Amino acid sequence: IAGITQAPTSQILAAGRRMTLRCTQDMRHNAMYWYRQDLGLGLRLIHYSNTAGTTGKGEVPDGYSVSRANTDDFPLTLASAVPSQTSVYFCASADYSGGGRNEQFFGPGTRLTVL
Amino acid sequence: GDSVTQMEGPVTLSEEAFLTINCTYTATGYPSLFWYVQYPGEGLQLLLKATKADDKGSNKGFEATYRKETTSFHLEKGSVQVSDSAVYFCALRNSSASKIIFGSGTRLSIRP
Repeated sequence: IAGITQAPTSQILAAGRRMTLRCTQDMRHNAMYWYRQDLGLGLRLIHYSNTAGTTGKGEVPDGYSVSRANTDDFPLTLASAVPSQTSVYFCASADYSGGGRNEQFFGPGTRLTVL
Repeated sequence: GDSVTQMEGPVTLSEEAFLTINCTYTATGYPSLFWYVQYPGEGLQLLLKATKADDKGSNKGFEATYRKETTSFHLEKGSVQVSDSAVYFCALRNSSASKIIFGSGTRLSIRP
């Protein structure tokens, strides 16, 4: 079934540890995004990529890095986790090429707790 | 810059009640407008969308009309069900940008 997968589903992490959240889509979408969602509501954009090989900073990029080596994968890395990075992380993708659909598709999320 | 404002929750209704969740936006040009829904423990799903003025998006009994004159995209449903309990996000995408701007979300709870 086409869509977006994220791994792990959940993780408890000690502060100071390095962590990579994985995101893979099989829809050949050109654009991909990472959001964090706190307190069960508002989404905030962390980083995005308009196409393979390019990335950009969103609203809250500090403490996070991304790479986009190919179309399908968009990993998010926390170099040294801090408790304020406890959140639910959502990956999304979209096809913004000419004639593509307009909306973003979301993965199921990764629940991260930093102690 | 572009922004979306939606009514704050939580909203609690009885089953079969009429629902309205207000959404207004600020944007240059002619953005596309969306409503996303997030059920407990899940990611966001597109509920409906409208891409130009006066378009009506509809899905699962929900409707929203793109009103450029009032810069609004209010979500309505005539008779809500317990299964509609979720968080609802209004959003816009300006055609000149690859990013979607989300509202803060409205939590809806339906009592049996």
